Amino acid sequence: DADVTQTPRNRITKTGKRIMLECSQTKGHDRMYWYRQDPGLGLRLIYYSFDVKDINKGEISDGYSVSRQAQAKFSLSLESAIPNQTALYFCATSAGWGSGGLNEQFFGPGTRLTVL
Amino acid sequence: AQSVTQLGSHVSVSEGALVLLRCNYSSSVPPYLFWYVQYPNQGLQLLLKYTSAATLVKGINGFEAEFKKSETSFHLTKPSAHMSDAAEYFCAVSDRGGGNKLTFGTGTQLKVEL
Repeated sequence: DADVTQTPRNRITKTGKRIMLECSQTKGHDRMYWYRQDPGLGLRLIYYSFDVKDINKGEISDGYSVSRQAQAKFSLSLESAIPNQTALYFCATSAGWGSGGLNEQFFGPGTRLTVL
Repeated sequence: AQSVTQLGSHVSVSEGALVLLRCNYSSSVPPYLFWYVQYPNQGLQLLLKYTSAATLVKGINGFEAEFKKSETSFHLTKPSAHMSDAAEYFCAVSDRGGGNKLTFGTGTQLKVEL
């Protein structure tokens, strides 16, 4: 079973609709992240959370909100979707710091969102 | 602010040839550096990371990268390309004072030809 899961995997919606993307993890990590990927732009950080009560804006948070319902669950919402939010969205988790320094982030399979 | 620049959005090599994917970083403090790979329709997978323990870092699938402070570079290499290496590769940087937020490069698409 996958350690980081995202639902839905694909979603087509219309401008102005509210949509929620969900992320769950079984890795026991405290830190969770939401990124969007656009061709030629790489991945950009939307929001991140270091624990349930610690949520922070990333590079491109406008138009998005998040909810950390539990250590294992981190949801991304688009309150009123617009076409330029069409992208591939990734959730990631991390244990933070370890004996070898900074620990890696583990990524989910992504959600492909299309806003018409 | 930290950043990475990946030179070449598309790189094409022949099977068995050397793979060289370039990454230069900018950071005001000694950075942590990562290379991730993304296969089609999948999430990102860590290839290797630099955390200052050694300047030459070996990763999975025969890849390695060398941290060169004087050149602010962290290029990814593999001596002999395989068809299965065709994917998109991302370099990422994290500074030591900002938690472990990653800043990604724009990616390099590697094509391997027969």
